[in-house]
Amino acid sequence: QVQLVESGGGVVQPGRSLRLSCVASGFNFGDYGMHWVRQAPGKGLEWLAIISLDGSEKYYADSVKGRFTVSRDNSKNTLYLQMNTLRAEDTAVYYCALRLNYWGQGTLVTVSS
Amino acid sequence: QSVLTQPPSVSAAPGQKVSISCSGSGSNIGDNAVSWYQHLPGTAPKLLIYENNERPSGIPDRFSGSKSGTSATLGITGLQSADEADYYCGSWDSSLSAGVFGTGTWVTV
Repeated sequence: QVQLVESGGGVVQPGRSLRLSCVASGFNFGDYGMHWVRQAPGKGLEWLAIISLDGSEKYYADSVKGRFTVSRDNSKNTLYLQMNTLRAEDTAVYYCALRLNYWGQGTLVTVSS
Repeated sequence: QSVLTQPPSVSAAPGQKVSISCSGSGSNIGDNAVSWYQHLPGTAPKLLIYENNERPSGIPDRFSGSKSGTSATLGITGLQSADEADYYCGSWDSSLSAGVFGTGTWVTV
């Protein structure tokens, strides 16, 4: 069955960087577009980014455009989210999702000094 | 901020029915399919409805979806205590070239 496992979260100071990973299994990873979504404490779901199956197309939410970069390595069945210039408001649980149909359990990112 | 608008909360007694509305615009719901998700804190969001009214395997027919114009609705019949959760609608916005979610609705049974 489809499994998505995020990692890389933790506590980071404002202005620093962090890279999240999402390892996929149970499906042909290279055949599908993938998303990143987050939920800040007490807030709703916020869509962040999508990457096409071959990585050639990427779209971002305005809130992270220019700071976050989505990428993928189909040989490793892995999706990435490079997060730069982090802000306190980026504190959230970050989820990867297969076509927004299947979701991982999420990884918590806390931006705090 | 969310582009799709939902009521903050709805409630009904066990066994009863609730409907959750999701209001958008021509560039999102009006132009693209709607999905619905159930989300409990600390867990992965669960897909309930895709393509406006299709249920994935394993989702009971107590859950139903519909779409008309720039709005969509999730219906839940035969409410159970296990249905207490946040529910979100989601779609694609063709003008923003971005995914969009609703503001979320907490269902109280």
